[in-house]
Amino acid sequence: AQKITQTQPGMFVQEKEAVTLDCTYDTSDQSYGLFWYKQPSSGEMIFLIYQGSYDEQNATEGRYSLNFQKARKSANLVISASQLGDSAMYFCAMREGWGGGGNKLTFGTGTQLKVEL
Amino acid sequence: GAVVSQHPSRVICKSGTSVKIECRSLDFQATTMFWYRQFPKQSLMLMATSNEGSKATYEQGVEKDKFLINHASLTLSTLTVTSAHPEDSSFYICSAGGRGSSYNEQFFGPGTRLTVL
Repeated sequence: AQKITQTQPGMFVQEKEAVTLDCTYDTSDQSYGLFWYKQPSSGEMIFLIYQGSYDEQNATEGRYSLNFQKARKSANLVISASQLGDSAMYFCAMREGWGGGGNKLTFGTGTQLKVEL
Repeated sequence: GAVVSQHPSRVICKSGTSVKIECRSLDFQATTMFWYRQFPKQSLMLMATSNEGSKATYEQGVEKDKFLINHASLTLSTLTVTSAHPEDSSFYICSAGGRGSSYNEQFFGPGTRLTVL
């Protein structure tokens, strides 16, 4: 079974609108972390936001927020007030277990977001 | 955040030659480094995990004799693609993780685009 599932290969949003990118995950670990990364055409991986499995509050970072629904095993990314520069590939990733940077990440297949005027 | 560099950023080589890619953590001690491969419009696939001073752990299906990984110091890991063939053409990305409990201790390099003619 896929550990990270992103069901939207492509999404379009109008500038200044909000958009939600879906991510569901599968793990039997109690401790895990969920990440969202942005990858523009240059290829660099830009860290956006993190949610720990024990965090009770949804994570927020500026225009990014993570809608964490633990029982449903979903970790959707919400981008508010979309900008043209948000056009990129977005990846959801999971780190199972605890160990900070020493544990590998498993990535979803990504969602290509296009922001239109 | 921490800075991870990769060199070269782009390389073109002839079939049958070997190519070495360097990944350096510039401002922290990277006890663990990860090597990913990404084909166009696809997700990042973990190739191997390397811990400083020990042999790399390869993911299933990755040929360890073809993709040689060395992590000789806390700031440098290298990936050598031996006897490269056109099917090895891909985007290779490293990430580095350090000691401690901070969730965002895995930092990505800018990637190396390999083209094998």
